Amino acid sequence: QPVLTQSSSASASLGSSVKLTCTLSSGHSSYIIAWHQQQPGKAPRYLMKLEGSGSYNKGSGVPDRFSGSSSGADRYLTISNLQSEDEADYYCETWDSNTQVFGGGTKLTVL
Amino acid sequence: QVQLQESGPGLVKPSQTLSLTCTVSGGSISSGSYYWSWIRQPAGKGLEWIGRIYTSGSTNYNPSLKSRVTISVDTSKNQFSLKLSSVTAADTAVYYCARMSSNWGQGTLVTVSS
Repeated sequence: QPVLTQSSSASASLGSSVKLTCTLSSGHSSYIIAWHQQQPGKAPRYLMKLEGSGSYNKGSGVPDRFSGSSSGADRYLTISNLQSEDEADYYCETWDSNTQVFGGGTKLTVL
Repeated sequence: QVQLQESGPGLVKPSQTLSLTCTVSGGSISSGSYYWSWIRQPAGKGLEWIGRIYTSGSTNYNPSLKSRVTISVDTSKNQFSLKLSSVTAADTAVYYCARMSSNWGQGTLVTVSS
């Protein structure tokens, strides 16, 4: 089954941009993933679905500041013009016909 | 917009069965080619997929939990349910239901303790 690897933490300054990475395991580089945001004390929120081509489809109400891109087995979430409310945990997720898998999550700190 | 709401006991004794229900509103659980998932999150930890059920009724489970998990659907009530047997303290977590990856419930805390 696929495995997703994320850095445990990241930080960036208010108003700047940050790029979070989710890496698919060997043999699964073509998989579609989803990105989710989890603010402190809240349920996860779906951000977007991201294909290996780099094409992405955002959820309802997700700001334009959030975008996705891909390179090989890596899937990226870029947040531009960072706001304080972007401080959260970010999880990637993938799936196939038998399973769903989450990455370990990246804790984003907005400085 | 589809909305999901988890419900069930917040406290379960060790060795007993945890039972949760997810009520779907704003759409029919039996329409479309969706799957409906259960996911949990222990305090301070990441998300763990438990299992899912398709509108066809077929299921998939996390191999690490498969022997203890049953997910079922009640289309007449627009609900799907989770049963996790032989629980221990390690099953204490916030439990979420979700449609595909795009719609999440608010979560419900289940504590396993005597």
